[in-house]
Amino acid sequence: DSGVTQTPKHLITATGQRVTLRCSPRSGDLSVYWYQQSLDQGLQFLIQYYNGEERAKGNILERFSAQQFPDLHSELNLSSLELGDSALYFCASSSRLAGGISYNEQFFGPGTRLTVL
Amino acid sequence: ILNVEQSPQSLHVQEGDSTNFTCSFPSSNFYALHWYRWETAKSPEALFVMTLNGDEKKKGRISATLNTKEGYSYLYIKGSQPEDSATYLCALNSGGYQKVTFGTGTKLQVIP
Repeated sequence: DSGVTQTPKHLITATGQRVTLRCSPRSGDLSVYWYQQSLDQGLQFLIQYYNGEERAKGNILERFSAQQFPDLHSELNLSSLELGDSALYFCASSSRLAGGISYNEQFFGPGTRLTVL
Repeated sequence: ILNVEQSPQSLHVQEGDSTNFTCSFPSSNFYALHWYRWETAKSPEALFVMTLNGDEKKKGRISATLNTKEGYSYLYIKGSQPEDSATYLCALNSGGYQKVTFGTGTKLQVIP
């Protein structure tokens, strides 16, 4: 158990709909990352937040958005869903180590499997 | 966009064989390199964080080496077991809190 939680575990919805995926990082971790894993694809980085602020953006569609709240949990919002958005969405968190050096070792949640019908 | 490459893409070995695979990255963008183990139907788990040229890390039968000057890292598995079957990912941290770039992984299958 990495200490990162994601809800829901599974989500089935229809095209055109909007969903919200939730992630709670490990206690004390300030950074949250979102990844998408489509069928037979590797991990595609979507976006990173650090202490509430967006830090880095990857291949995130304009239909997708994310935020990190003051309690450090994060939500990934996916709208106008298309069949191709069906994927496993992982959240990961990383921490600042003692002394202020962080190598961004990431701890992954169990993922949310999104199926768009 | 940083190019982190892993080879081979997939690998089948017999139980008991030793094996190794490679992660290549741009040497000019190095801050740290991570190795992760990703079993089917689970989430990736961190194996090693490597930061210094010449670093060697070991965890049981798995070890890794790092060459930051030429931009590569090797992961070795000694005496492969069926439970080692997984996808092994490397990830380059190119500096501080910037995004981490994952390679596409090497999928290892150990045949009993």
